Amino acid sequence: DGGITQSPKYLFRKEGQNVTLSCEQNLNHDAMYWYRQDPGQGLRLIYYSQIVNDFQKGDIAEGYSVSREKKESFPLTVTSAQKNPTAFYLCASSIGTTTDTQYFGPGTRLTVL
Amino acid sequence: GENVEQHPSTLSVQEGDSAVIKCTYSDSASNYFPWYKQELGKRPQLIIDIRSNVGEKKDQRIAVTLNKTAKHFSLHITETQPEDSAVYFCAANPWAGSNYKLTFGKGTLLTVNP
Repeated sequence: DGGITQSPKYLFRKEGQNVTLSCEQNLNHDAMYWYRQDPGQGLRLIYYSQIVNDFQKGDIAEGYSVSREKKESFPLTVTSAQKNPTAFYLCASSIGTTTDTQYFGPGTRLTVL
Repeated sequence: GENVEQHPSTLSVQEGDSAVIKCTYSDSASNYFPWYKQELGKRPQLIIDIRSNVGEKKDQRIAVTLNKTAKHFSLHITETQPEDSAVYFCAANPWAGSNYKLTFGKGTLLTVNP
């Protein structure tokens, strides 16, 4: 777990501003994922990437964007188009496909004021 | 898309009792079913998983069973201890058109009372 990091731990933004959440891993994993966690909603997949320079939308991609320019990094941008951005965001990585164990980062709690 | 239903949403047991959490899924193509434990304020961690070619898997006090015909799988924790108190998530990997993705249940808050 120590091999996947997210920063910052807490983030505050004003409504209408874009914000980028960082996710880095040194596990040499090919696949990386972003989830949103809300109380009583479980973990919902936002975007995932199975290889550098490629990514797919998850179940709730609207209002979010990602990039995968490096194997180690998978930043998530929460845009002003996301209607309810306040949430806990978790990044994860796995060796390859989703039949491999996903290791989660510590999360970033985003609050939009 | 895949729908993963998890029950119950909350579960309270006495220390030493067993706890059972059940999940159902809809996509028959799913072939991987992990369980994650998330303690308060911490990240989810895998505790056990099962693949579709196996009906049951055990690891000390925890076990998972899978019924592919009925499309349901369950987590069993025996001899519960206070440190088992956490939120537990089940997941399944439906086919997403070009690859598999992981879909999680909404979680079960397990409280083990001393």
